Parts: sequence; C-alpha cells; structure tokens
Amino acid sequence: DTAVSQTPKYLVTQMGNDKSIKCEQNLGHDTMYWYKQDSKKFLKIMFSYNNKELIINETVPNRFSPKSPDKAHLNLHINSLELGDSAVYFCASGGRNYGYTFGSGTRLTVV
Amino acid sequence: TQLLEQSPQFLSIQEGENLTVYCNSSSVFSSLQWYRQEPGEGPVLLVTVVTGGEVKKLKRLTFQFGDARKDSSLHITAAQPGDTGLYLCAGGPGTYKYIFGTGTRLKVLA
Repeated sequence: DTAVSQTPKYLVTQMGNDKSIKCEQNLGHDTMYWYKQDSKKFLKIMFSYNNKELIINETVPNRFSPKSPDKAHLNLHINSLELGDSAVYFCASGGRNYGYTFGSGTRLTVV
Repeated sequence: TQLLEQSPQFLSIQEGENLTVYCNSSSVFSSLQWYRQEPGEGPVLLVTVVTGGEVKKLKRLTFQFGDARKDSSLHITAAQPGDTGLYLCAGGPGTYKYIFGTGTRLKVLA
C-alpha cells in the first residue's frame, strides 16, 4: 500500500502542451509538497499546502498551478510547457516532525 | 538565501571502507534530516536531528548535528554496495519549509 503515490511515472510531451501530475497520500499528513529535481539532482521546493491551503509558493512561474481538493491530494497542472520544465517532479507529505515521505517521482520530458 | 552545501559532491570507495559526508550552512536550522535516494525513486528519510551536538546511530550510520546547529555529518562504517545512492541533507528554517542540500553521490564498489 503506497504511502505517497504520484502519476504518471513518465511524461513525454511537446512544447506548448498542458499537462497534469496527480499525487495522493494515505498517511494522514496535513501538509503536502511539490519539489522539482534538476539534472544535477538538486531538490527545490515549489509549493506547499497545509490542509488544502497554499502556504509556500516559491517563485515558480504562474504556468504552474497546484490544486488541493482535499488534504490527501495535491495535483500539479502545468500550462504551455517549455523545454526548461524538463525535470523530475516529486510530491511529498509530512514535514519537520515526521520527516518527508516522497513519491517515486514523475520524469517530465518536454521535446 | 539559505543554502546547504554538501561535501564531497561525489565519492567512490571500496567495500569495507569508512566515509564521512558533510552538510554545512551559514544559517541556523531548527532541525536537520538526512535522506538517501536511489535511482528512479524518491528520497527516503534516514534520520532527524533536532538538538545541537546530538548524535544518532542507525546500524553502521552515525549522524551528528553541530553544536551551533549550522552543520551536520554522516559517517558510514564499513561501507557496503547497498549503501550506494544519493545522500541529501535537509534543514528546516521553519515549520513547513525544508531546504535540501546539494547532495553527495556515493558509489561503493564490491
């Protein structure tokens, strides 16, 4: 029973397209996150939601829009995809007290 | 901007050797975590340290939080091929926001 599951695992798409990544956690955590990992393996926080409320939005282009319908789900929609958006996107839940539990990542390739 | 620098960036050692990975910052962190990430997977939490000077042991792994809570180290004794992976430290300046370090890629050769 996967704790944090995100889909799809791989996403290949053309520039200009719009795509979504879905994330669900069954750990009962109040806080969920989206992180981006670049080709040098650097993990950078993008967004954080606590109980469906946006609490962190780190200078991310507004082409990226997170949506949290409930505290167990945090989806990421990306409009007008660009080559530079290619990366691995990780969903996570938890935080300082529990530590983060990460999903297995979505490798996005924009061609 | 708070930054967590890890060193070394890459490390390739023989099975049975010992190693230490360092995580340094100019900022004080309320807590610090270490993760290991394997290819194609998300990072997995190894340990959380919260008190300056704290030392935690997890089998062959020893984690230390600096007295001033600005740095941490991870020491692995008698490394095994299964220890191969990307090691990441992460510091919490606040409740919801953790900053990840630059990463150390470890390869243990059999």
